[in-house]
Amino acid sequence: DAKTTQPPSMDCAEGRAANLPCNHSTISGNEYVYWYRQIHSQGPQYIIHGLKNNETNEMASLIITEDRKSSTLILPHATLRDTAVYYCIVRVSYNTNAGKSTFGDGTTLTVKP
Amino acid sequence: NAGVTQTPKFQVLKTGQSMTLQCAQDMNHEYMSWYRQDPGMGLRLIHYSVGAGITDQGEVPNGYNVSRSTTEDFPLRLLSAAPSQTSVYFCASSYTGEQYFGPGTRLTVT
Repeated sequence: DAKTTQPPSMDCAEGRAANLPCNHSTISGNEYVYWYRQIHSQGPQYIIHGLKNNETNEMASLIITEDRKSSTLILPHATLRDTAVYYCIVRVSYNTNAGKSTFGDGTTLTVKP
Repeated sequence: NAGVTQTPKFQVLKTGQSMTLQCAQDMNHEYMSWYRQDPGMGLRLIHYSVGAGITDQGEVPNGYNVSRSTTEDFPLRLLSAAPSQTSVYFCASSYTGEQYFGPGTRLTVT
């Protein structure tokens, strides 16, 4: 799986958009970008994933650059409950490695009132 | 639909004791995994399974055993607990790429 680089921490004002960047310059053509978050010692929670098109669901939007070497997770209206560690993971989907993810240190997002 | 369940939630062991951490999922997922998370760090893969009867080692397998006799269950056995195994243990299951995690077992070895 490709290695990812994320800033260690970010702050965001409540109600504003939180934009979390991830660099994955060695991504392969068949690798997806996955985002998870972990709220204070709970189990990680899946947020969203994408291959090359931008994706949106009820939790967030994922913007992947055209060369696929970086991506941004967008929380459109951050709330205090979005304070968490956010992990960006690059991996091949739909194969025997589906049970394996390499988690780095992630980005600690702090949403402030 | 309970998702991924783990028992116990908390456990204290003495050095040298053995125990089994239980993990079960009711989503009929083929893939299951065990991770450990030390304070202030990311998750590290211990063992994983791609289906009943098939397991493989992850990044930090030493001191742990697994087996997968059914699709639903994936227990993690600590053979002889050591203080270095003090950690939070998460079990996860998946059908394709996105994994679903249990609430974790907080283990302290004294």
